[in-house]
Amino acid sequence: SSELTQDPAVSVALGQTVRITCQGDSLRSYYASWYQQKPGQAPVLVIYGKNSRPLGIPDRFSGSSSGNTASLIITGAQAEDEADYYCNSRESSANHRVFGGGTKLTVL
Amino acid sequence: QVTLRESGPALVKPTQTLTLTCAFSGFSLTSSGVCVTWIRQPPGKALEWLALIDRDDDKYYSTSLKTRLTISKDTSKNQVVLTMTNMDPVDTATYYCARMLLYYDRNGYYIYDAFDIWGQGTMVTVSS
Repeated sequence: SSELTQDPAVSVALGQTVRITCQGDSLRSYYASWYQQKPGQAPVLVIYGKNSRPLGIPDRFSGSSSGNTASLIITGAQAEDEADYYCNSRESSANHRVFGGGTKLTVL
Repeated sequence: QVTLRESGPALVKPTQTLTLTCAFSGFSLTSSGVCVTWIRQPPGKALEWLALIDRDDDKYYSTSLKTRLTISKDTSKNQVVLTMTNMDPVDTATYYCARMLLYYDRNGYYIYDAFDIWGQGTMVTVSS
């Protein structure tokens, strides 16, 4: 399958921990990367590979993977983390890439 | 500093061909492990991967749009061009280009990749 499935919406209380998941067959073979997108802005890479963060991304963002599921974890969510989050991965059968449908994170 | 900037028409008519240019700086498309990719996002909808090109001029396309897309590069100008034929109102979207980095293990095998730097996007409306 070339699809990645994400929950459409997730909420978290300020300062609490939230896990955003991404499911797909390709994740058994390849790592996901994660992108944060705020309204009117281009996406920003937040997690890639096994659990790497680009420079400037706070360490409250982390990633994990198990079986066909990749997770983006925000430990101690802040108001500024409210955004849409997308996972992306290479497809299993071809050198293509695919995005998940996105998760809208609300920080309460 | 790595930057990418998309340019192209803001409005195209149905059945026309769209040509978008991604002008980049701060990196070279001749470097190992570097690609440029295109992604689009219809208003209020999810990101959709479209195409990528690598330094060897290998090209890969979204399966659903493969027949309509062509990606090419001009290394001397630091530009990547995407054309999409037979435009339709459903193709109305913000089109982004991004640098894609490939990571390899010590044996040279692919491990993972990431779209690390994105352009600001260009909005394209398809309407008569």
